[in-house]
Amino acid sequence: GAVVSQHPSWVICKSGTSVKIECRSLDFQATTMFWYRQFPKQSLMLMATSNEGSKATYEQGVEKDKFLINHASLTLSTLTVTSAHPEDSSFYICSARGFGQALGQQYFGPGTRLTVT
Amino acid sequence: GQSLEQPSEVTAVEGAIVQINCTYQTSGFYGLSWYQQHDGGAPTFLSYNALDGLEETGRFSSFLSRSDSYGYLLLQELQMKDSASYFCVTRGNYGQNFVFGPGTRLSVLP
Repeated sequence: GAVVSQHPSWVICKSGTSVKIECRSLDFQATTMFWYRQFPKQSLMLMATSNEGSKATYEQGVEKDKFLINHASLTLSTLTVTSAHPEDSSFYICSARGFGQALGQQYFGPGTRLTVT
Repeated sequence: GQSLEQPSEVTAVEGAIVQINCTYQTSGFYGLSWYQQHDGGAPTFLSYNALDGLEETGRFSSFLSRSDSYGYLLLQELQMKDSASYFCVTRGNYGQNFVFGPGTRLSVLP
């Protein structure tokens, strides 16, 4: 149980375009979803936390107008990278938590590798 | 805020035991978790300590000392497939989000 999917697994886009990444909890209701970014050989950096039906809470330094997050249902959250630039190229990973899960536990999607040319 | 420190790299041989340490500074404490991540993959949950002491799950054990702001992950009977990055993780923002340590890259040699 506790499976999280992410789509697409990789995407290449041109500079200035927008890209949408979907994160779905397949077998549980995700009350909270998290979006991370990871550069090569670095740790995961939390970008934002979203609770179903509420506005996302962005971490300091993350532009909310550039990284649009929507958590419209208990099984789906989306991250849209608007006006992407080459420096946005990274590995984007979502995770989710649901009712009754251990405090320290989150379930990760497989990640989306974004390349902006 | 939260900050965590881990060694950047550890090397060990198959069958050995390795300990990965983590020290943390937090404003409020909500437990310490450990995650494993293979290259190109997503992190997977290994263990969680909310209270002092040792938690054992198969070949992996995790220890926490809240008075020392310190924890460690112990991997026994190392296998080649254990080569990966290991992250200690705590909660931030009054327990609302997660903060990852810098990660320790473990290389298991034959």
